[in-house]
Amino acid sequence: EVQLVQSGAEVKKPGESLKISCKGSGYRFTDYWIGWVRQMPGKGLEWMGIIYPGDSDTRYSPSFQGQVTISADKSISTAYLQWSSLKASDTAMYYCARSASGWANWGQGTLVTVSS
Amino acid sequence: QAVVTQEPSLTVSPGGTVTLTCGSSTGAVTSGHYPYWFQQKPGQAPRTLIYDTSNKQSWTPARFSGSLLGGKAALTLSGAQPEDEAEYYCLLSYSGARVFGGGTKLTVL
Repeated sequence: EVQLVQSGAEVKKPGESLKISCKGSGYRFTDYWIGWVRQMPGKGLEWMGIIYPGDSDTRYSPSFQGQVTISADKSISTAYLQWSSLKASDTAMYYCARSASGWANWGQGTLVTVSS
Repeated sequence: QAVVTQEPSLTVSPGGTVTLTCGSSTGAVTSGHYPYWFQQKPGQAPRTLIYDTSNKQSWTPARFSGSLLGGKAALTLSGAQPEDEAEYYCLLSYSGARVFGGGTKLTVL
């Protein structure tokens, strides 16, 4: 069974760094793109970017370029989304998804709360 | 970056038919935008209903269908059920860059 399991909720202060994860199982992790999606409280979905774990080819949406870093460690079948300096406006639910079969598989989401 | 537009809200009667649309600021939506439709219910992750314009996932009820209509991508629900009440998002691809629409809140009432 294909699964994407995301790391748990985080509460951080502005200016702190953070790295959240998305671990894939039940398939060859290096063969499919992993995408990240943001959903701010009460708002819609926003496409952040994607990574191909096979060669770490990474593409960012313009709104997120330079704001976050997407990476992957294929040795442990895990993709990451990280911030070097969080802002209150980064408070959101973050989802990862796998590109196979029309982005059929999604993680459960990681809630990130940034508050002083 | 392109802007993808959806109706903010729609209401359908139980058993009725409704069409949600997805437009692009760059012009007509075509199959080359690989339109996707996602359903999201409160407190849940999104799930794909339709991909590449009209392909269904194994879990997509037969009452949902995807198409291109009048220069837009369309999601048609025929025979609405109470459990179809949800937020629906389209996603378009622009030479690899992907953009979500703002979502349509569908009420079954």
